[in-house]
Amino acid sequence: AQSVTQPDIHITVSEGASLELRCNYSYGATPYLFWYVQSPGQGLQLLLKYFSGDTLVQGIKGFEAEFKRSQSSFNLRKPSVHWSDAAEYFCAGLKAAGNKLTFGGGTRVLVKP
Amino acid sequence: NAGVTQTPKFRVLKTGQSMTLLCAQDMNHEYMYWYRQDPGMGLRLIHYSVGEGTTAKGEVPDGYNVSRLKKQNFLLGLESAAPSQTSVYFCASSPTQGGGYTFGSGTRLTVV
Repeated sequence: AQSVTQPDIHITVSEGASLELRCNYSYGATPYLFWYVQSPGQGLQLLLKYFSGDTLVQGIKGFEAEFKRSQSSFNLRKPSVHWSDAAEYFCAGLKAAGNKLTFGGGTRVLVKP
Repeated sequence: NAGVTQTPKFRVLKTGQSMTLLCAQDMNHEYMYWYRQDPGMGLRLIHYSVGEGTTAKGEVPDGYNVSRLKKQNFLLGLESAAPSQTSVYFCASSPTQGGGYTFGSGTRLTVV
């Protein structure tokens, strides 16, 4: 069955430090992959997506993600976090010919001053 | 502003009551989805629709029904609410297969 796994439930990072959120996927073929961010009490906002091509994807708010087929991973990174990056982050996958987005369990990011 | 609108934003139900959540999109998207969000479980797909008049079951469809009588609207019904249905419900739409999902701001439902 298709699945997306986020191994880290919580991550605490100091403001200005770098951030990396892990995402692993399990699909028969390379899926489309997404990262979403959810601020408290809000809906989901798309940060970036990978369909094919360049394995390093740039997104909004200074985020980037790298697709690694050999590791079945799509990790999200930001070089220097801001207090406003405190939120919950979701990785999601979609079969190339499918229409059902599957989400990981989410990683909650706390930013220390 | 164009997007996905969910009503209501909050609701408290007693066990056994029924209600309908409305999702409306003004982007002429073909595909619409209902998800529920529970702590530590991400978002799980309840039902979805690939076009007006169509519906299909997702990952967790039990206890819910849906209808897509108009392309812009996707209704989620709870016939007899149970405490296990306490959750935050999100609607989403997309123009085609392959992404471009737009999410609503959610409905927080509590069943007591």
